[in-house]
Amino acid sequence: EAQVTQNPRYLITVTGKKLTVTCSQNMNHEYMSWYRQDPGLGLRQIYYSMNVEATDKGDVPEGYKVSRKEKRNFPLILESPSPNQTSLYFCASSLSSYNSPLHFGNGTRLTVT
Amino acid sequence: LAKTTQPISMDSYEGQEVNITCSHNNIATNDYITWYQQFPSQGPRFIIQGYKTKVTNEVASLFIPADRKSSTLSLPRVSLSDTAVYYCLVGEDSNYQLIWGAGTKLIIKP
Repeated sequence: EAQVTQNPRYLITVTGKKLTVTCSQNMNHEYMSWYRQDPGLGLRQIYYSMNVEATDKGDVPEGYKVSRKEKRNFPLILESPSPNQTSLYFCASSLSSYNSPLHFGNGTRLTVT
Repeated sequence: LAKTTQPISMDSYEGQEVNITCSHNNIATNDYITWYQQFPSQGPRFIIQGYKTKVTNEVASLFIPADRKSSTLSLPRVSLSDTAVYYCLVGEDSNYQLIWGAGTKLIIKP
C-alpha cells in the first residue's frame, strides 16, 4: 500500500531533550516536506526537500533540523525542544514539487513540557 | 503567489449536494487547482485536482470557469462522514511552498 509513515504518533518529552520524528514513504517520491499545525494558524511548512541531499527552509524552520540521505526517509530533528514546539506535525511527499498532489502521514502529536 | 479565499464554514444536510467555492484571482498560467480534505488530527487527504473546465472522480467534481479566477468543489449526496475541513490550494510561491489557508469547515447534519 502506498503510504507515508510517521513515528511516533504521540510523543511527550521535556524541554531540551533531543528527539527525532521519523518519516518514510514507499512511493519513490522526489519531494518531501514537514508541516506543523496549530489551532488558528493552519498548516505551516517547516522544511522541504526536492530530492536526496537537497533540503530547504520553509516558513517556520527555527528550532528544527532535517536530513535527506535516502529518497524514502526524511526525519525531523528537534535538537533542544521547547514548549512552543508543542504541536501536531505532518510529513508529506509528492512525485515532484510542483502541482503534484501531496500524500500526508497520519501525524505526530508532540508535547514538550 | 496565488492566494485563495474560501468561506470559513458551511452547513448542509445528508443527501444534499454541497458546493464550496474558492477564489484565486492571481492564479498563474501554469498553476493547477487542488483540493484537500482534513479530518481532526489526521493529515490532509487529496480529493481532486484540475486545470480548467470540469474534472470528476469517484468522490467529487471540480468546476473551473474559463478565466480560472475561481473554482467550485462539488460533493454529491453528502453524508455525515463528509464533515471535515476542505482546503483549496493553487500553485506555489517561488520557494516551492504551498500556502495553506484556514480552509472551509463543512458540517453535515442528519
